[in-house]
Amino acid sequence: DTGVSQNPRHKITKRGQNVTFRCDPISEHNRLYWYRQTLGQGPEFLTYFQNEAQLEKSRLLSDRFSAERPKGSFSTLEIQRTEQGDSAMYLCASSLGSGGDSEKLFFGSGTQLSVL
Amino acid sequence: GEDVEQSLFLSVREGDSSVINCTYTDSSSTYLYWYKQEPGAGLQLLTYIFSNMDMKQDQRLTVLLNKKDKHLSLRIADTQTGDSAIYFCAESTNTDKLIFGTGTRLQVFP
Repeated sequence: DTGVSQNPRHKITKRGQNVTFRCDPISEHNRLYWYRQTLGQGPEFLTYFQNEAQLEKSRLLSDRFSAERPKGSFSTLEIQRTEQGDSAMYLCASSLGSGGDSEKLFFGSGTQLSVL
Repeated sequence: GEDVEQSLFLSVREGDSSVINCTYTDSSSTYLYWYKQEPGAGLQLLTYIFSNMDMKQDQRLTVLLNKKDKHLSLRIADTQTGDSAIYFCAESTNTDKLIFGTGTRLQVFP
């Protein structure tokens, strides 16, 4: 079991550039979540997928953000025209599904984005 | 609305018990969770409790749930320096996502 894997670990970019992050969930997990965490705060929900379907998007997810999970396995989160306010840790998590033990979320180590 | 609140800091001496408190607002939450985060790392699931339970014990960890007051606590017995971290409580929602608190930073000193 390799756990949830996120790449890259760190990303430094200039304002206005586009960035893309990747998440590989635990292999048998159907659900995949993206969260954002800023310093001194708890993770904030961005979006989640059930297999390849994106089921919910937070109001935090502006139109510059897009997430995909094309084959129901790995997911990508893209931020276009990055702004300094996008600087944060982007966390990915996966779970088996809903109900009981299946709801437990397992997190990756995150991608730390710094926008200069 | 959904809101989860925690105190920001807790400092304890090694060997003492730590109690981290949390209040939540969504009475329909089915599960409540405790996660641990060490510097530069993701979140590690510590334990969780189903909303129809009052207490759950797992080795050094004890979770108490007061559903009437929407209050959740995590007790760590015999706290060690390796327990120093940020602890997050989280509630599940009817839309299948977790809402996290702001975290409690636990500092353990010798």
